[in-house]
Amino acid sequence: ELKVEQNPLFLSMQEGKNYTIYCNYSTTSDRLYWYRQDPGKSLESLFVLLSNGAVKQEGRLMASLDTKARLSTLHITAAVHDLSATYFCAVTNTDKLIFGTGTRLQVFP
Amino acid sequence: EPEVTQTPSHQVTQMGQEVILRCVPISNHLYFYWYRQILGQKVEFLVSFYNNEISEKSEIFDDQFSVERPDGSNFTLKIRSTKLEDSAMYFCASKGDRVGDEQFFGPGTRLTVL
Repeated sequence: ELKVEQNPLFLSMQEGKNYTIYCNYSTTSDRLYWYRQDPGKSLESLFVLLSNGAVKQEGRLMASLDTKARLSTLHITAAVHDLSATYFCAVTNTDKLIFGTGTRLQVFP
Repeated sequence: EPEVTQTPSHQVTQMGQEVILRCVPISNHLYFYWYRQILGQKVEFLVSFYNNEISEKSEIFDDQFSVERPDGSNFTLKIRSTKLEDSAMYFCASKGDRVGDEQFFGPGTRLTVL
């Protein structure tokens, strides 16, 4: 059974600081997604990573994928309050998405 | 920009009652999905649907659940006799038929079972 784990589960960080969220998955998958979810809202797609070594960046967020290690990272650079949300990684398994446990990020002044 | 829509946004029901959650996928999409998210937890796959039949379902999707595409636009999830533990956010998603197409999620329906 494919399992997807994230750490940390909770992250409280100061504005301007950098941090990395980790996503590990247990079996091979052909693509990995990162989503953002605000409280009570739906899932907003941030990145799709397809191949080993893939790196994508959007603003203060950068995602990377190491398929050999079955590891993806979401790096936050110079955090701002607007980044406060829950971040999920998800991998495809057959046609469905298997989600990680989520990382709740809180950015404070 | 086309989007997945869901109704209602919030449904409150009594335990044992039947509920139907409705979704309108993006118009040219052919693959449809339901996921659920219990408050504060991760998103879990329930069922996938293609060509008018279930492609795959999870252990959560037991005999109490059913899905249907009653017409060319709606995709529904029915829970026959709701339980307290069915309280969750239910997300519908749809996807096109090109290789690599991404699933697009609807805004969700919050189901509260009392």
